[in-house]
Amino acid sequence: DIRMTQSPASLSASLGETVNIECLASEDIYSDLAWYQQKPGKSPQLLIYNANSLQNGVPSRFSGSGSGTQYSLKINSLQSEDVATYFCQQYNNYPLTFGSGTKLEIK
Amino acid sequence: EVQLVESGGGLVQPGRSLKLSCVASGFTFNNYWMTWIRQAPGKGLEWVASITNTGGSTYYPDSVKGRFTISRDNAKSTLYLQMNSLRSEDTATYYCTRLGRTVAAFAYWGQGTLVTVSS
Repeated sequence: DIRMTQSPASLSASLGETVNIECLASEDIYSDLAWYQQKPGKSPQLLIYNANSLQNGVPSRFSGSGSGTQYSLKINSLQSEDVATYFCQQYNNYPLTFGSGTKLEIK
Repeated sequence: EVQLVESGGGLVQPGRSLKLSCVASGFTFNNYWMTWIRQAPGKGLEWVASITNTGGSTYYPDSVKGRFTISRDNAKSTLYLQMNSLRSEDTATYYCTRLGRTVAAFAYWGQGTLVTVSS
């Protein structure tokens, strides 16, 4: 199974700041990586797919990068509505696996 | 508009069975693979089962293989998850999901249905 190690587990940042969330795969996943945002009490929403492609309707302050085993999600100009938990997920191989999540709060 | 509406969750005793349903609308159901994903209270996401668009192939993680069965009725645009021999660790919100049209990630999620396994 491909293990997805996500960091940090929690993050506190100020409005307008830039934040980065990392995801490390236990083997090469060839950019078959997605990022999801889950707001409290809601279902997850797709933000990024194929490591760096922005899903329709997602604000451009979100971006993804990486290759091989190392990936990251960047949020520019942090907004109050970005308070959420973020998950990475690999879809290169079964079983599909997720990172453990990063809880983002506003300082 | 794509809609996925789950039902069938509830409180069930350990060792018993439960069947979840997901009614899909807003797209041609028989064109898409479908997947169940679950989330234990306060925890992360776990893939539970996937089924091809025809229902001809199914996929499971070891944690549910042999206990859970995913199926679909394309005529009714409905996805199912039959859960047998339920354990306390199966307690979670179960989401019905669909990939994007040209995207291999889960672009559409239902609102989820809560399954609680407890005596």
